[in-house]
Amino acid sequence: GAVVSQHPSRVICKSGTSVKIECRSLDFQATTMFWYRQFPKQSLMLMATSNEGSKATYEQGVEKDKFLINHASLTLSTLTVTSAHPEDSSFYICSASGGLETQYFGPGTRLLVL
Amino acid sequence: AQTVTQSQPEMSVQEAETVTLSCTYDTSESDYYLFWYKQPPSRQMILVIRQEAYKQQNATENRFSVNFQKAAKSFSLKISDSQLGDAAMYFCAYRRENSGGYQKVTFGTGTKLQVIP
Repeated sequence: GAVVSQHPSRVICKSGTSVKIECRSLDFQATTMFWYRQFPKQSLMLMATSNEGSKATYEQGVEKDKFLINHASLTLSTLTVTSAHPEDSSFYICSASGGLETQYFGPGTRLLVL
Repeated sequence: AQTVTQSQPEMSVQEAETVTLSCTYDTSESDYYLFWYKQPPSRQMILVIRQEAYKQQNATENRFSVNFQKAAKSFSLKISDSQLGDAAMYFCAYRRENSGGYQKVTFGTGTKLQVIP
């Protein structure tokens, strides 16, 4: 099946700093990538959808200036959490789709903001 | 708006036995896709099985099969010959037909499956 990687897998940062998370589709071209947030023992919450070469579409309640998404190529999307605070601590998951009906997920990034 | 409901927060099954996880959804669309994803303790989301709404035949993947009841908007997952490695959170998910590139997937709240040796 299609492989999606995420980097880093775990990051700890100080409050007020910015953190960048990368999502890569390794063996297919991802026309669309998705960013999710998952709190412990809860389902996935879609944050935004990004199409290659265009601006991301954010879900209601997600601050676009807080969570910057860039999808500069067909294999790479980045999520930058700007001026991170402890409440931003969470598990962030990306997924990618090559235009087919199935999304393939990355392994996730655990963010801890101190 | 589409909603996906998983009414069983937790389930348990004896190893080698069969278990069925329930999922219902609400939509006004006629063409869509349904999925079951597995999330083990590693938290990597893994596609288990998918079903196209236009297909009457239930999807199967080895020990995993679904019971898709379109009129009832029900999409249950049956796991046969349960193995210890099947222990995980299982999420039911819905996506409407890819019209104009819209691909948002709606997830249920998940069912935690425990496999008892």
